[in-house]
Amino acid sequence: GQNIDQPTEMTATEGAIVQINCTYQTSGFNGLFWYQQHAGEAPTFLSYNVLDGLEEKGRFSSFLSRSKGYSYLLLKELQMKDSASYLCALYGQNFVFGPGTRLSVLP
Amino acid sequence: DAMVIQNPRYQVTQFGKPVTLSCSQTLNHNVMYWYQQKSSQAPKLLFHYYDKDFNNEADTPDNFQSRRPNTSFCFLDIRSPGLGDAAMYLCATSSFGGSGTADTQYFGPGTRLTVL
Repeated sequence: GQNIDQPTEMTATEGAIVQINCTYQTSGFNGLFWYQQHAGEAPTFLSYNVLDGLEEKGRFSSFLSRSKGYSYLLLKELQMKDSASYLCALYGQNFVFGPGTRLSVLP
Repeated sequence: DAMVIQNPRYQVTQFGKPVTLSCSQTLNHNVMYWYQQKSSQAPKLLFHYYDKDFNNEADTPDNFQSRRPNTSFCFLDIRSPGLGDAAMYLCATSSFGGSGTADTQYFGPGTRLTVL
């Protein structure tokens, strides 16, 4: 299996920056994806990495290091609406999701 | 707008009574997926279609079946729902360009299944 691991919960303050980590144990995948999921709703795509390095998309950035088996999602200028679960997923033959990190943004 | 549509959004069934969930897409994607997601857990892949090729995950119970009559539609049939099958069922699509490529998945809004 791919043994994808994420912190269960994180808390941050409105306006701050938060980094959500994702570690995995596999070498064979095409890309690593990040999704946001609000309670009771479907996941929505945020960002993905195929090559090592940083991909920036507005307030969201994602980083991948294949050699270290590690990715992170960086959220800047946090807003209350960013309170959600954040899922990383590896795409090899299929998408395999990590357990997700529940982020709470406090005023 | 191009999208992934799931019907119904909420489905209530009785223990053991067959139920069918539907998914349609206007994205013309060649891959369609069905996931089961229980509360506070990650989505779990049940099966997927690459065009008409059906791919079942090894741990998907036989109670779950799927049909894809054409590119646009995919159905999830639960033959004899148990209480443990109550969950959100997510349909997703992606466009697979071949080995070594990656394209994002687009999710439908999900169908929340309640089993009484």
